[in-house]
Amino acid sequence: AQSVTQLDSHVSVSEGTPVLLRCNYSSSYSPSLFWYVQHPNKGLQLLLKYTSAATLVKGINGFEAEFKKSETSFHLTKPSAHMSDAAEYFCVVSSGYSTLTFGKGTMLLVSP
Amino acid sequence: DGGITQSPKYLFRKEGQNVTLSCEQNLNHDAMYWYRQDPGQGLRLIYYSQIVNDFQKGDIAEGYSVSREKKESFPLTVTSAQKNPTAFYLCASIRDSGAGQPQHFGDGTRLSIL
Repeated sequence: AQSVTQLDSHVSVSEGTPVLLRCNYSSSYSPSLFWYVQHPNKGLQLLLKYTSAATLVKGINGFEAEFKKSETSFHLTKPSAHMSDAAEYFCVVSSGYSTLTFGKGTMLLVSP
Repeated sequence: DGGITQSPKYLFRKEGQNVTLSCEQNLNHDAMYWYRQDPGQGLRLIYYSQIVNDFQKGDIAEGYSVSREKKESFPLTVTSAQKNPTAFYLCASIRDSGAGQPQHFGDGTRLSIL
């Protein structure tokens, strides 16, 4: 069995400040982990993925995430938020036949 | 450009009516998936198909049906048995269903009740 917990339903930051979106997972197998972003009334866009290579993963738009097996965490970070980063973010775990388990999402709000 | 096309973007259903949501992909992907998204719920898997003419139920299949007659198409029918169909529906695909592959998503269909 696998599960994902996104620790914050909403995160608010000011433009230019760092972003931290937290994700913890559980999995019976060596997991693959993903972060997706969703803008209103749109599909999900892949930000980055971890598939047992380097533990620090760089993605698009300046985002990165670090896989910490001992903490079963895969937190998403960005050094400096932009207004265009405002969206909903999903942490996702995959193990076996690529059926994905989604977290409930974190809404990122960016104020000027 | 390759991608996944979902249509229509908005759909309205009357009581007792079946409606079908279209999902077409030109990525030559083997596996396709249907998810339902409700506010604060994340995405929940309805059905998935790893090859043509074969599909499996996901976590919330009751009240839904699918077919996979062609590799590029995976339509979802929301039947009258689904009593709470109002949601955002997302279709996804993947090149092969081995673990570690990210899924590609369409732009979704928003279904509402009249």
